[in-house]
Amino acid sequence: EDQVTQSPEALRLQEGESSSLNCSYTVSGLRGLFWYRQDPGKGPEFLFTLYSAGEEKEKERLKATLTKKESFLHITAPKPEDSATYLCAVQAWRASYNFNKFYFGSGTKLNVKP
Amino acid sequence: DTGVSQDPRHKITKRGQNVTFRCDPISEHNRLYWYRQTLGQGPEFLTYFQNEAQLEKSRLLSDRFSAERPKGSFSTLEIQRTEQGDSAMYLCASSPTGERNQPQHFGDGTRLSIL
Repeated sequence: EDQVTQSPEALRLQEGESSSLNCSYTVSGLRGLFWYRQDPGKGPEFLFTLYSAGEEKEKERLKATLTKKESFLHITAPKPEDSATYLCAVQAWRASYNFNKFYFGSGTKLNVKP
Repeated sequence: DTGVSQDPRHKITKRGQNVTFRCDPISEHNRLYWYRQTLGQGPEFLTYFQNEAQLEKSRLLSDRFSAERPKGSFSTLEIQRTEQGDSAMYLCASSPTGERNQPQHFGDGTRLSIL
């Protein structure tokens, strides 16, 4: 069964305290892994796409990495404005209709205290 | 650059009423998706359009739900005879076709509350 699991569910950090979020998956026909940020009352905002094991992407204080079974989102020296829910989605190929289906995890709610 | 637009942002209705939501995707995107998100969960896939054709529907989409994309541009999602369990955020996303798989870009959703 296709499944995406994120941990921890919630994370509280002090400003400047680096940490990592985990996304593990069991999906057949993986085509890509996506990280999104979601603020309260808003839709998910796209951050990164990773396609193959060993790939890394960076944006400001965020760095995403991918292995064959999981992805990590590393947050270096976070600031209060990094507080949000971070969602991981895996894209699996469905041969019918040329359709890439997204499976989302439940997210990690990050709270960065000043 | 206009993003995905959804209307209304909030909808409060009584149980048993019908509701309709609208989604305007990014103009050059020919793929459109509907998701449902409940508190503390990630978005769950509901249905997918490529241009005007509805090509996949989740088992979550009961007979009370119907979606259309009549001219391959905007889309509507209708829920008939709403139930308490329909309370959720309904998200629309769009993506272009391309050589590599493209990310989906989301609107800010319609929050549905059933009284």
